[in-house]
Amino acid sequence: ETVLTQSPDFQSVTPKEKVTITCRASENIGTNLHWYQQKPHQSPKLLIKYASQSFSGVPSRFSGSGSGTDFTLIINSLEAEDAATYYCHQSNGVPWTFGQGTKVEIK
Amino acid sequence: EVQLVESGGGLVQPGGSLRLSCVASGFSLSSYWMGWLRQAPGKGLEWVANIKGDGSQIYFVDSLRGRFTISRDNAKNSLYLQMNSLRADDTAVYYCARLEGGAAPGPFPYDSWGQGTLVTVSA
Repeated sequence: ETVLTQSPDFQSVTPKEKVTITCRASENIGTNLHWYQQKPHQSPKLLIKYASQSFSGVPSRFSGSGSGTDFTLIINSLEAEDAATYYCHQSNGVPWTFGQGTKVEIK
Repeated sequence: EVQLVESGGGLVQPGGSLRLSCVASGFSLSSYWMGWLRQAPGKGLEWVANIKGDGSQIYFVDSLRGRFTISRDNAKNSLYLQMNSLRADDTAVYYCARLEGGAAPGPFPYDSWGQGTLVTVSA
């Protein structure tokens, strides 16, 4: 089973700051890594697919990078509406797994 | 507009059964792989299972295989999760979600999610 470890677990950020979340895989998963945003009491929403491809309708301040075992989600110029928990997800091999989540709070 | 609406959750005693349903609209269900995922209260996301558009291929997390079954009825635009021998640690919000890639198998993300249905297993 591929274990995904996100860091940090929690981040408190001022609006307009840059947020960086990392996701490390326990084995090489190529670019089969996706990022989701989940706001309180809502279902997850796809942000970034295949490590770096933006999903339709996602604001351009969200970007992703990485391959192999190390991946990064960047939120440029954080907005208040970005308060959420962010999850990475690997679809490279069964069982599909998720990172533990990173909660982003707005200061 | 793609919509996924889950139902069937509720309170069930340990050892009991529930069948969750997910009705899809806005797209042809038969053309897509679909999945079930769950999220225990205050916890992260857990993948449960995926099923091919025609139901001919299924992937299940090992820990639930044997107690849970995934199925679909494309004529009714519906996806199902049959859950048996339920335990307290099955308590979670259960989501159905659509895989992006359509009918082809592959390492696709989930591009649409339902709102979830809460299953509570308690005496």
